Amino acid sequence: NAGVTQTPKFQVLKTGQSMTLQCAQDMNHNSMYWYRQDPGMGLRLIYYSASEGTTDKGEVPNGYNVSRLNKREFSLRLESAAPSQTSVYFCASSEFGGPTNEKLFFGSGTQLSVL
Amino acid sequence: RKEVEQDPGPFNVPEGATVAFNCTYSNSASQSFFWYRQDCRKEPKLLMSVYSSGNEDGRFTAQLNRASQYISLLIRDSKLSDSATYLCVVSWASKIIFGSGTRLSIRP
Repeated sequence: NAGVTQTPKFQVLKTGQSMTLQCAQDMNHNSMYWYRQDPGMGLRLIYYSASEGTTDKGEVPNGYNVSRLNKREFSLRLESAAPSQTSVYFCASSEFGGPTNEKLFFGSGTQLSVL
Repeated sequence: RKEVEQDPGPFNVPEGATVAFNCTYSNSASQSFFWYRQDCRKEPKLLMSVYSSGNEDGRFTAQLNRASQYISLLIRDSKLSDSATYLCVVSWASKIIFGSGTRLSIRP
């Protein structure tokens, strides 16, 4: 029972390089999320997808793009990485259909360093 | 102004103490409320949902005041294993926003 699978676990980029973080869930959840977490801070929402075919900006969307490829997969792309994007990235999913269905299931995170 | 605000702490209390965390949110359309726990930058885990009537789970009690847009978490008889960061979470229309977290350290 995999839950939410996030790859890669670690990545080092040079400034200006691009990369895509992959996320897949096998729980048939409608909603998926990308968060970043910087030292001493909580999680900040980058983008989310309430359902297949929709994406919306979160709190800190600048410098990122997302794709909800299908119901299972939600990818996050950095087109031109900057040192300010050094962070731990978490993907999460949720059934989201009411107060009892909003528990977030998280991937194990990606530690990204941009030099 | 952040949509969800918490006292960052850290709170450093002795084992057995009672500790309370507070959280305020700015969007009056918020529908659902939660407390998550995070250990050492691992993925957060749901501690409990917060209901308008207040709810309790063992040593943990959560309260919601919609009029004041305020959420609280009370931990009684704290254990060493309660040391973690506690995150207040608010959601509306599929958008789920975290507070910056309150760090708790329990000392023997």
